Amino acid sequence: ETGVTQTPRHLVMGMTNKKSLKCEQHLGHNAMYWYKQSAKKPLELMFVYNFKEQTENNSVPSRFSPECPNSSHLFLHLHTLQPEDSALYLCASSQDGVATNEKLFFGSGTQLSVL
Amino acid sequence: GENVEQHPSTLSVQEGDSAVIKCTYSDSASNYFPWYKQELGKGPQLIIDIRSNVGEKKDQRIAVTLNKTAKHFSLHITETQPEDSAVYFCAASKSQSGGYNKLIFGAGTRLAVHP
Repeated sequence: ETGVTQTPRHLVMGMTNKKSLKCEQHLGHNAMYWYKQSAKKPLELMFVYNFKEQTENNSVPSRFSPECPNSSHLFLHLHTLQPEDSALYLCASSQDGVATNEKLFFGSGTQLSVL
Repeated sequence: GENVEQHPSTLSVQEGDSAVIKCTYSDSASNYFPWYKQELGKGPQLIIDIRSNVGEKKDQRIAVTLNKTAKHFSLHITETQPEDSAVYFCAASKSQSGGYNKLIFGAGTRLAVHP
């Protein structure tokens, strides 16, 4: 248990559906991240929130919409996805949003399948 | 931008043997190099990290070496055990103005330790 909880663990959705992924961290961290993990590819950074403010959007298509209501919760809203968006979506957090090179703590991920 | 190459993509060893995974990075300003282990159904978990002012770091059976001149770093696992079987990711990052940790990951190495 890393202290970062993601729900749901698995999600199957059609291309016209709207769904949301949820992440909650119980570590008192100030920075939260969304990563995409596809088979045989490096983890891709999608979004970073630092003290609830979005500080990084790594050229992610607008069909992915993040939301960070507070430092403990992070959402990824999904709409009109494509089959190539099928992947494991990982949430992570780090302790101090001011200092750099802090350790990342990952959740177990949501395995997303787009049909 | 930063690019991290990781080799080999798969590695199979006998229990008790050593395993070595190598990574190279492109951005000479990178100053933090963590290694993550991902077991089946779980998110990546930090196992060891090294900063650019250190050439080698050891923690029990695992060690990491860094060659800044050549821009490569390696993970060494000695006396491997079946529970070491997992996917290992190297990563590199440098200080960001926003204060968060923007890790660039390698594509991963699937290590199998056979009894």
